[in-house]
Amino acid sequence: GIQVEQSPPDLILQEGANSTLRCNFSDSVNNLQWFHQNPWGQLINLFYIPSGTKQNGRLSATTVATERYSLLYISSSQTTDSGVYFCAAPNSGNTPLVFGKGTRLSVIA
Amino acid sequence: NAGVTQTPKFQVLKTGQSMTLQCAQDMNHNSMYWYRQDPGMGLRLIYYSASEGTTDKGEVPNGYNVSRLNKREFSLRLESAAPSQTSVYFCASSTGYGNTIYFGEGSWLTVV
Repeated sequence: GIQVEQSPPDLILQEGANSTLRCNFSDSVNNLQWFHQNPWGQLINLFYIPSGTKQNGRLSATTVATERYSLLYISSSQTTDSGVYFCAAPNSGNTPLVFGKGTRLSVIA
Repeated sequence: NAGVTQTPKFQVLKTGQSMTLQCAQDMNHNSMYWYRQDPGMGLRLIYYSASEGTTDKGEVPNGYNVSRLNKREFSLRLESAAPSQTSVYFCASSTGYGNTIYFGEGSWLTVV
């Protein structure tokens, strides 16, 4: 099945700094999603981005499907950005999502 | 708009006990899922249901059963709980596999 690898596993930022999180996947995909899990455990869908670039406020994501990676950019980070960021892609074609192990982000004031 | 609702939120079980985690969605989604989350492991798929009346095994189905009761509800049953099933369980739903997926708030289960 597909392998979804995220890097770095942990990241500590000073408030106001920018960061880039990476997601590599082993097979071509038609569905790539990014999620944020806040410190209380709630999972929020950030982006549905099988290809191209999308932006939502201070967050943006880019997927280069032909090179099998996706990037999540966080600009001007805030303490509320802390938590774990997951990317996920389907095992093959039309199947449920397989999740990476996540990047744990800590933003310090 | 409640989205995906899971119950209970917290549960402590003794080894060998049984219990059912309930999940309901009000978004008229066809597909529903159960994932478990363990430290350092990300989320792993237990069972899923593409549509009402169908269920399939995911990556880690052993020790679990599911029921897709109707389009709204998808329950997860532990017949004989084991300490290895201590985890956080998430129910999720989507219009279809290729669409945005939405999660419930999670159920924290401890088996002692």
